[in-house]
Amino acid sequence: KQEVTQIPAALSVPEGENLVLNCSFTDSAIYNLQWFRQDPGKGLTSLLLIQSSQREQTSGRLNASLDKSSGRSTLYIAASQPGDSATYLCAVGGNTPLVFGKGTRLSVIA
Amino acid sequence: DAGVIQSPRHEVTEMGQEVTLRCKPISGHNSLFWYRQTMMRGLELLIYFNNNVPIDDSGMPEDRFSAKMPNASFSTLKIQPSEPRDSAVYFCASSSIGGITDTQYFGPGTRLTVL
Repeated sequence: KQEVTQIPAALSVPEGENLVLNCSFTDSAIYNLQWFRQDPGKGLTSLLLIQSSQREQTSGRLNASLDKSSGRSTLYIAASQPGDSATYLCAVGGNTPLVFGKGTRLSVIA
Repeated sequence: DAGVIQSPRHEVTEMGQEVTLRCKPISGHNSLFWYRQTMMRGLELLIYFNNNVPIDDSGMPEDRFSAKMPNASFSTLKIQPSEPRDSAVYFCASSSIGGITDTQYFGPGTRLTVL
């Protein structure tokens, strides 16, 4: 059974800092990996989707990497801003629908 | 596009009552997912449909939970009878091609409180 772990559970950084969020999964037989953002009281917004054949995806200040063999993904956020404050969830897609981690709650302090 | 629409946004009910949550997926999407989110367990898939047909309902916790998708533009999740441990945020999501491998678009959720 696929299990997805995100560390740390919470992170607080000063504005402008570059940061990395980590995601690990137990079963490397995946189709894709997605990173989502969730604002308080809101639904999830997809940020990046990496197919299993890809190593990374970039969107603006965000860069996500995937290492299937080690069961790891990272989400890199450059030059963090207070508007980046949210919970970031990693989700893995295999031959069953997405399995989610519990998320990392990010606070960017102005 | 209005995105995935869920109603109601908040529901407070008493134990034993029937609860019906509603979802309208994005037009043209052929896969629909129901999730439940709690602090303890995170986000869990309850059931998903492909072309209005239930594909996997192994995440439905008990027989008290049922879901239907009578057409491509509407789905319901029903809890009967409801219990306090059902209190959670319930999300509906939809995707276009292939379901499993495509980006899912989430609704705003329904926050359910069972007293």
